Amino acid sequence: GENVEQHPSTLSVQEGDSAVIKCTYSDSASNYFPWYKQELGKRPQLIIDIRSNVGEKKDQRIAVTLNKTAKHFSLHITETQPEDSAVYFCAASQAYLNKFYFGSGTKLNVKP
Amino acid sequence: DAGVTQSPTHLIKTRGQQVTLRCSPKSGHDTVSWYQQALGQGPQFIFQYYEEEERQRGNFPDRFSGHQFPNYSSELNVNALLLGDSALYLCASSRLSTAFSGYGYTFGSGTRLTVV
Repeated sequence: GENVEQHPSTLSVQEGDSAVIKCTYSDSASNYFPWYKQELGKRPQLIIDIRSNVGEKKDQRIAVTLNKTAKHFSLHITETQPEDSAVYFCAASQAYLNKFYFGSGTKLNVKP
Repeated sequence: DAGVTQSPTHLIKTRGQQVTLRCSPKSGHDTVSWYQQALGQGPQFIFQYYEEEERQRGNFPDRFSGHQFPNYSSELNVNALLLGDSALYLCASSRLSTAFSGYGYTFGSGTRLTVV
């Protein structure tokens, strides 16, 4: 089965700095990679996703990059703000499976 | 409101007991997936229901079972509870016909199960 690894487990940055979270996956059949943000006591919320036919996707301050050959993908957050503080999860999936394999999470702390 | 409703929100059970968790999917969704999220970990896929049948299953023992009703709502049952079953149980609903679930994959707020 698929195995998703995520690093770092914790990340502390100053407000305004950039943050990068990296994930690797093992199953070359995976072709869809969403990123979720989970605030304490709340449900995971999708913040951005990327399909395997795309190398990069950007949405305002958030971007995701995918390297299919190396089987790794990354989340980039620029101009971080205190409200970006949360746990971020990467995930891997295949079309139509409606099932996600999640990484172990990165706790991002943005210091004002 | 994300539209997926889970009940109860919190539950405390004793080892060896049985528990039933419930999930009502978002309107228009026909597929329900269950995940277990241990403290400090990512969600792990338990199983998925579609058309009242288990469509996919993760690496969980038979103590974990489920059901889907004609109205698409679903139950997760866990028998012979162990301390290690303490976790947040998340339900997610989607439409099976959606190729890349993404924004059509909606999580509920979860049920926090504590086994003592």
